[in-house]
Amino acid sequence: ETGVTQTPRHLVMGMTNKKSLKCEQHLGHNAMYWYKQSAKKPLELMFVYNFKEQTENNSVPSRFSPECPNSSHLFLHLHTLQPEDSALYLCASSQTSASSYEQYFGPGTRLTVT
Amino acid sequence: SQQGEEDPQALSIQEGENATMNCSYKTSINNLQWYRQNSGRGLVHLILIRSNEREKHSGRLRVTLDTSKKSSSLLITASRAADTASYFCATDKNNAGNMLTFGGGTRLMVKP
Repeated sequence: ETGVTQTPRHLVMGMTNKKSLKCEQHLGHNAMYWYKQSAKKPLELMFVYNFKEQTENNSVPSRFSPECPNSSHLFLHLHTLQPEDSALYLCASSQTSASSYEQYFGPGTRLTVT
Repeated sequence: SQQGEEDPQALSIQEGENATMNCSYKTSINNLQWYRQNSGRGLVHLILIRSNEREKHSGRLRVTLDTSKKSSSLLITASRAADTASYFCATDKNNAGNMLTFGGGTRLMVKP
């Protein structure tokens, strides 16, 4: 257990569905991250939040919409996804988004878009 | 091209042997980190080495960093079957905060 939980662990959705991924950290951290891990591609940073403010959007399509209501919770709202969006979505947290802090990862949500 | 690239992509060894994985990167960095991932799970932080450090140890792990060659290596000594996993290096570029760029990883299999 890393102190970062993600729900659901598995999700199958159609291209017209709307769903949300949830991440919660119990570490008292102030920075949270969303990553996408596709088969045969390196882990890709999607979004960064520091003290609830979005500090990085790594050119992510608008069909992915993050939300950070407080420093402990992070959501990723999904709508009109494409099959190529199928991947493992990982949430992570760190003390802050400044350099030199290790990141703690959740177990991920395995997303399949049909 | 990606900031961090691991070599080899896959490595198979016998229990008790040492495993060495290498990582190369392209731009100046503040730190380099190594993470481990069991199949389909989240990543676990192993070790962080700062740009002004050359070597770091943690248990059976030894990490080296050569900033002149923009490369790092992770050595796992006396490997165990439980070390079977994918290993990733991640770098944070100068003035880019904690935004990590990950390599493609090395898949390590340790046979009992």
